[in-house]
Amino acid sequence: GAGVSQSPSNKVTEKGKDVELRCDPISGHTALYWYRQRLGQGLEFLIYFQGNSAPDKSGLPSDRFSAERTGESVSTLTIQRTQQEDSAVYLCASSLGAGRSEKLFFGSGTQLSVL
Amino acid sequence: RKEVEQDPGPFNVPEGATVAFNCTYSNSASQSFFWYRQDCRKEPKLLMSVYSSGNEDGRFTAQLNRASQYISLLIRDSKLSDSATYLCVVNKGDQAGTALIFGKGTTLSVSS
Repeated sequence: GAGVSQSPSNKVTEKGKDVELRCDPISGHTALYWYRQRLGQGLEFLIYFQGNSAPDKSGLPSDRFSAERTGESVSTLTIQRTQQEDSAVYLCASSLGAGRSEKLFFGSGTQLSVL
Repeated sequence: RKEVEQDPGPFNVPEGATVAFNCTYSNSASQSFFWYRQDCRKEPKLLMSVYSSGNEDGRFTAQLNRASQYISLLIRDSKLSDSATYLCVVNKGDQAGTALIFGKGTTLSVSS
């Protein structure tokens, strides 16, 4: 596909369960971001992958959150032992890379609801 | 001080009005600056990059003041379709390739 693809689009889970969210970036984009957006709030930075560099994990809110990226392709965000405060839209974005090529292309997000 | 700060608004203006949004950032070494637009329940989309010399795209003008660590967006002749949340975005560190941090956004509502 031409754009950033995220799956699932919606996920309902019970408190305490683990969830895995997937992001397929645009082919050739070396940078990949995960953001979280709670209802009515701004985008909260979670993690950033750039090529083969070590990811910037400084935005992950707790050790229940982790993310991986395979080369310059698919990324998965895993949330262990989900809590109700994890309910949010999780947005993935990719870009060509640094400088003025940093236009972010967003996926449609995964709406996570923790009951 | 938060990394990127914006006045949340809302700004309620009539069609045809001129409106300006401000944004401040905390890291003086930041190099990349952008304005994104987010419509309700949609993903953000790039509105424009912000260059050191200032830049204009139609009715939209962006300015950067490095000394004050301040970015602005001016919208002239507001249209109903401009109603959205405007997000200020700044890169985190002293390299253009570091993570992009979003402000919480300023909400604009244009009425007829």
